[in-house]
Amino acid sequence: NAGVTQTPKFQVLKTGQSMTLQCAQDMNHNSMYWYRQDPGMGLRLIYYSASEGTTDKGEVPNGYNVSRLNKREFSLRLESAAPSQTSVYFCASSTDRTGELFFGEGSRLTVL
Amino acid sequence: AQSVTQLDSQVPVFEEAPVELRCNYSSSVSVYLFWYVQYPNQGLQLLLKYLSGSTLVKGINGFEAEFNKSQTSFHLRKPSVHISDTAEYFCAVSVSTGRRALTFGSGTRLQVQP
Repeated sequence: NAGVTQTPKFQVLKTGQSMTLQCAQDMNHNSMYWYRQDPGMGLRLIYYSASEGTTDKGEVPNGYNVSRLNKREFSLRLESAAPSQTSVYFCASSTDRTGELFFGEGSRLTVL
Repeated sequence: AQSVTQLDSQVPVFEEAPVELRCNYSSSVSVYLFWYVQYPNQGLQLLLKYLSGSTLVKGINGFEAEFNKSQTSFHLRKPSVHISDTAEYFCAVSVSTGRRALTFGSGTRLQVQP
């Protein structure tokens, strides 16, 4: 059972470059999320999607865009990367009733 | 909006000693509460959750937590820790109405020493 799969696991970018983080889940969950994790700050919500075709901003959406391609896939795009976006990014999906999250293994992004 | 405070950023403890990791939350509506664990260079996995019913919740690896509504707390406890419990622990809250996205605390690093 794959659960939530993220790619790539590691990426190094130069300032101004763009990239897309891919996420797919096989648990038939309606809701999907992108969080970023920074030391001492826990996980902060970037964007989420409550269902196919809908997306909403979270706590820290600036500099990011998302696409809910279908029920399984939810991608995160950095159009012009900045050093402040150096972080570990986690994709998650959830059951709708309680919000319990199932996480991917994370994507470590470094922006030079 | 809801919020979560984890009072200790680091907790050092000796192997086989008891441990308590503290978590307080703030919300104007009913909540669901979670503890997640993150081992080095891994994703987060669920330790335990409180949805309703008994306020004492048992999770994996011998951990338990108690929901205290009057003190808005959800502290995590283990009576005897092992070296393998060394990890970062996150408390999180979601609300029973409206948007269900989890709000996380800043995390507590548990360091178990031999």
